[in-house]
Amino acid sequence: QSVLTQPPSVSGTPGQRVTISCSGSTFNIGLNPVNWYRQVPGTAPKHLIYSNSQRPSGVPDRFSGSKSGTSASLTISGLQSEDEADYYCASWDDGLNGAVFGGGTQLTVL
Amino acid sequence: QVQLQQWGAGLLKPSETLSLTCAVYGGSFSGYYWSWIRQSPGKGLEWIGEVNHSGSTNYSPSLQSRVTLSVDTSKKQISLILTSVTAADTAVYYCARGALTRHTVKWGYWGRGTLVTVSS
Repeated sequence: QSVLTQPPSVSGTPGQRVTISCSGSTFNIGLNPVNWYRQVPGTAPKHLIYSNSQRPSGVPDRFSGSKSGTSASLTISGLQSEDEADYYCASWDDGLNGAVFGGGTQLTVL
Repeated sequence: QVQLQQWGAGLLKPSETLSLTCAVYGGSFSGYYWSWIRQSPGKGLEWIGEVNHSGSTNYSPSLQSRVTLSVDTSKKQISLILTSVTAADTAVYYCARGALTRHTVKWGYWGRGTLVTVSS
């Protein structure tokens, strides 16, 4: 049972926009920034978003993040087949005094 | 370009001690917080703990009694020790570079991961 809650899967067709949600609490997302990671199975996660909505250098602007209250979301615009991967949200939890993750969302491009 | 190269024993028996090392190539070592994160087969990510160049640590509450993180700044290496392993500790273990502040989930660089299997 992950501390942050994500939908197990989402899907979309090429060119569409999809959104992945991440729900937390006042101890984590409500207090601390959210980061997002993309992971192709069998490889290490890759950093996508930091500080809720900032993109590291090299991440396409098709990827955007937002946060409101105790929830955050990752939006992928202009969906491409290579976007198929697992996506994870992460935040710091002041109550647990540790980093926490969502359970991951598998994105399928139909 | 920052690269993290990790290594360690890949097969352990229950009750043995897991030991992994992560070497940092390129970029600065000092100032950053370095984390270990693991992923059980087919499961999500789990944070193990973080350590900075001066040895200041923070551990996951669920693993705190069994885990030790340390650094060797002269070699630019971070080490993970996990004692009394069980099958539940079977996972791919990643080292990752965090931010300049503690309590970070901003991991911009990751090692390739080391699969550790615990089996009798």
